[in-house]
Amino acid sequence: GQNIDQPTEMTATEGAIVQINCTYQTSGFNGLFWYQQHAGEAPTFLSYNVLDGLEEKGRFSSFLSRSKGYSYLLLKELQMKDSASYLCVLLDSNYQLIWGAGTKLIIKP
Amino acid sequence: DAMVIQNPRYQVTQFGKPVTLSCSQTLNHNVMYWYQQKSSQAPKLLFHYYDKDFNNEADTPDNFQSRRPNTSFCFLDIRSPGLGDAAMYLCATSTSTGGPETQYFGPGTRLLVL
Repeated sequence: GQNIDQPTEMTATEGAIVQINCTYQTSGFNGLFWYQQHAGEAPTFLSYNVLDGLEEKGRFSSFLSRSKGYSYLLLKELQMKDSASYLCVLLDSNYQLIWGAGTKLIIKP
Repeated sequence: DAMVIQNPRYQVTQFGKPVTLSCSQTLNHNVMYWYQQKSSQAPKLLFHYYDKDFNNEADTPDNFQSRRPNTSFCFLDIRSPGLGDAAMYLCATSTSTGGPETQYFGPGTRLLVL
């Protein structure tokens, strides 16, 4: 079967760094997405990883280890507007998206 | 700007009264998706269209139907809404299902069933 685990909620301080972890189990893998979703709004694309390693995009970076079934999203220089849910999304062998429940990130001043 | 548009943003309906949600896109993407998302849960795929080919998820209730009259528009029809159907309904588009294409989401329609 397929399963995605990520923490339900995290709290961090403005200006700090936070790492949101995601672990998964799947029989087939074609990549992993991270989406950001502000409350009451639609998800927006942040990153896509299909090979092992770190992908950096401005303040956000995403890491993948396929052998460990593990990914993380790293957010640097946190801003209040980064308060949102972050969804780890698996692309399975049929190119179907398997969505995690999301991690609600709360930023405090 | 190219985008995915959903109307209305908020919809109130009565228990059992049919309701239609609409989605349009200016991205000219050939794939369109409908998701249901309840509070603090992941989006749940209801169905998707690859061009005119309709693909229903196995666990999507028969109460949910969809129409795609042309590339730009897609509708979600809920024939007899129940209280459990109150949720955010998200429309998304992508260029194909043959590879890792990013999905672009509309702002969603929040449905309230009274």
